Amino acid sequence: EVHLVESGGGLVQPGGSLRLSCAASGFTFSTKWMTWVRQAPGRGLEWVANIAQDGSEDYYADSVNGRFTVSRDNTKNSLSLQMTGLRDEDTAVYYCTTGMTPDKWGQGTLVTVSS
Amino acid sequence: DIVMTQTPLSSPVTLGQPASFSCRSSQSLLFTDGRTYLSWLQQRPGQPPRLLIYQISNRFSGVPDRFSGSGAGTDFTLKISRVEAEDVGTYYCMQATQFPYTFGQGTKLEIK
Repeated sequence: EVHLVESGGGLVQPGGSLRLSCAASGFTFSTKWMTWVRQAPGRGLEWVANIAQDGSEDYYADSVNGRFTVSRDNTKNSLSLQMTGLRDEDTAVYYCTTGMTPDKWGQGTLVTVSS
Repeated sequence: DIVMTQTPLSSPVTLGQPASFSCRSSQSLLFTDGRTYLSWLQQRPGQPPRLLIYQISNRFSGVPDRFSGSGAGTDFTLKISRVEAEDVGTYYCMQATQFPYTFGQGTKLEIK
């Protein structure tokens, strides 16, 4: 069975850092582009970042570019999102999903940025 | 950036009746490989999104056949042939043809 499990969310002060993880199982992780998507409370879905199968390419939304870094470890079937310089507007549930065809989704992890 | 515009934003429907959601992109979603990376996602209240339709019209595994997708170029449609109570939620279109990936604002399906 396919699983994506996000972790690492929590409460952080503005300007702080947090590292999210996504553990994948049930599919060949190393063959998939992976994506982070977020959803602010009561709002719609927003694409955050993508990373290529081998980690050689990554892309970011303008709103997080320069502050967030996506990475992956194919030996551990793991995806990460390092978030720095966090702002109030980064408060959201963060989901990991697969790339161009988002057929797998985790339950998400909540990041709250507040003083 | 490609802007995805969904209409309507809210759709009250009677159980057993059809529903239709529209999504328009600001430019063509045809990718260099000849495919169009337009997906439809369903998000039930309190749940993560779930893929319903990919590449305009391909129903994902396990999705009931009352859901169908159509369209081409910049105009796309999701249809539910007969709405059931479990269909309540918000429906999003998403393009993954060009970075940044973008989503429509969502259409909220409610039961009359």
